[in-house]
Formats: sequence, C-alpha cells, structure tokens
Amino acid sequence: SQTIHQWPATLVQPVGSPLSLECTVEGTSNPNLYWYRQAAGRGLQLLFYSVGIGQISSEVPQNLSASRPQDRQFILSSKKLLLSDSGFYLCAWTTRLGYTFGSGTRLTVV
Amino acid sequence: DQQVKQNSPSLSVQEGRISILNCDYTNSMFDYFLWYKKYPAEGPTFLISISSIKDKNEDGRFTVFLNKSAKHLSLHIVPSQPGDSAVYFCAVGDNSGGSNYKLTFGKGTLLTVNP
Repeated sequence: SQTIHQWPATLVQPVGSPLSLECTVEGTSNPNLYWYRQAAGRGLQLLFYSVGIGQISSEVPQNLSASRPQDRQFILSSKKLLLSDSGFYLCAWTTRLGYTFGSGTRLTVV
Repeated sequence: DQQVKQNSPSLSVQEGRISILNCDYTNSMFDYFLWYKKYPAEGPTFLISISSIKDKNEDGRFTVFLNKSAKHLSLHIVPSQPGDSAVYFCAVGDNSGGSNYKLTFGKGTLLTVNP
C-alpha cells in the first residue's frame, strides 16, 4: 500500500539550532514530493517540491533548505532556526486525486 | 496577493443542518479544485474534488459546486455532523502539467458543528 511517513510529530528547538525533518514514502516510485508549512493564522504555504533525486525547487526564499538523497526520501533542513520558523510542517506527495499528506511535524522555536 | 481566498475564518452550524463553505480564486487558468479536511495535529486529508469541465460533484453528504465565471467554489455538507468539525482548506491547481502540479491553498475555514 502507499503510505507516507513523517517524523518527529513534535519538536521544540532553541533559536539558532539546526533542524532536520524527514519524510519517506512507501509503495510508489519516483513520486513528486512537497514540503508545506502552516504558520499560525495562515494557509498552507508551499516551501519546496521535488520531481526526482537531487532535484529541488524552492518556492519562497527563506531560512530553510530541502534535499532528496533517495527516491522516496525528502528532508527539510535548517542550519540556524529563527523564531519565525515555528509552524506545522507537512510533507506530501501527489496522487491521482491530489495530494496525500503526512501527519505533520509541529515545530516550536523558542 | 492571495490567489485563493476563504473569507470566512470560522463557521458554526447546528447538527443536521447544512454547512456551506466558500472559496474564491483569482486565476482563470486554474482547472482543478479540491477540498481538504484537517483535524488538529494531523495532516490534511483529501475530501472531494472537481475539474473545470464540471460544475457539480457529489460524494455522499459532500457536494462541491464550481462557478467558473465567478471564480467561486463551495462545499456543501448535508446533514452536518459533529464529526465534521475541522478546518476545511480549499485548494486549486493547474493540471496541465499532469501529475507534476502544485496546489495553492486558502487559509482555511474552521467548521464547528454543534450537537
């Protein structure tokens, strides 16, 4: 079956610390993968998408980066977190019906 | 500038009544429209979609209406149930790229269905 895994579920990090969020999918090959963020009072904002290994497109300039080291692995990173990086981060991949989202990571930068 | 607007941040209805959630978009090139439902601390889940060649799509208690001339879509839930209480996101996309498309989401509407 096709599933998407995202971890951790919650994360509290101090300002200036690094970040690594991981997303993996199962049951499919060569998926299009996406990172979205939902900040307080805002909709879902597309951060990055990837159509293949090593191929990353950034939608908005920011303090974050993404990598796709393997076909079914998508990683969101930061070298130094800012307070404004707090939010709910969602990984997704495209299916015939649209997106299937992971369960999300609640990141709080303190 | 927002390409997708859900002007009502919240909506409260009684159980058994109809819930109507609205969404407006600005770009006439969008040709694929979806609604997602999101519970707290969970990822959004797909609810229902409609393509630009149709003006109505129904799935059980959920119906999506599309008015292309007005660039407006709505989600009707009849009858509403307490378990429908969640945030509903409208999403629009350009499907001309096949499976490689990006969705633009609205800010969401928090629906509360009161018993």
